[in-house]
Amino acid sequence: QKEVEQDPGPLSVPEGAIVSLNCTYSNSAFQYFMWYRQYSRKGPELLMYTYSSGNKEDGRFTAQVDKSSKYISLFIRDSQPSDSATYLCAMSDYKLSFGAGTTVTVRA
Amino acid sequence: EAQVTQNPRYLITVTGKKLTVTCSQNMNHEYMSWYRQDPGLGLRQIYYSMNVEVTDKGDVPEGYKVSRKEKRNFPLILESPSPNQTSLYFCASGQVGEKLFFGSGTQLSVL
Repeated sequence: QKEVEQDPGPLSVPEGAIVSLNCTYSNSAFQYFMWYRQYSRKGPELLMYTYSSGNKEDGRFTAQVDKSSKYISLFIRDSQPSDSATYLCAMSDYKLSFGAGTTVTVRA
Repeated sequence: EAQVTQNPRYLITVTGKKLTVTCSQNMNHEYMSWYRQDPGLGLRQIYYSMNVEVTDKGDVPEGYKVSRKEKRNFPLILESPSPNQTSLYFCASGQVGEKLFFGSGTQLSVL
């Protein structure tokens, strides 16, 4: 079993829809939780970073962490075509472990 | 500008011909790491380094070597490349447990 499991997708949504992305994990030692966005043929870039259970908002993005259920989510409100990318969840104790990524396409 | 620089961006080589992919960061980060990315498998860690002269294996280290003689540089060495090492490679740096900054990637094809 992988340490980090991510919903594989792909997801295709119309512009303006809410995008919901999810990951589960098995390692209770993970303390830091991140979401990276990766455009085609580019390096991943950090989107959201949190180290506690609960919600964290940044503009149209909300990251949710539930440590008791070992579950994290990313919500994108009012999605735009520019949000079309692959989204990777990542978690860390001293080493970063990534999910396999979910490719999202936002249709204009 | 803070950045992680990888070279080359694209590389085509033949089986068995030694190659090196360079990685340099200008942020004085202690932690550096190499990943490979393959369709459906996500990012898998090859090697990482917690500081100068301190390196350790990641999840898929077979067939790779690294060195960390200076803080800013972390080259990835393939002594005898094979076709199953055809992949997209990323170098990253950061502070331990915190966010990583990624390079632009190296697309390697081994024929």
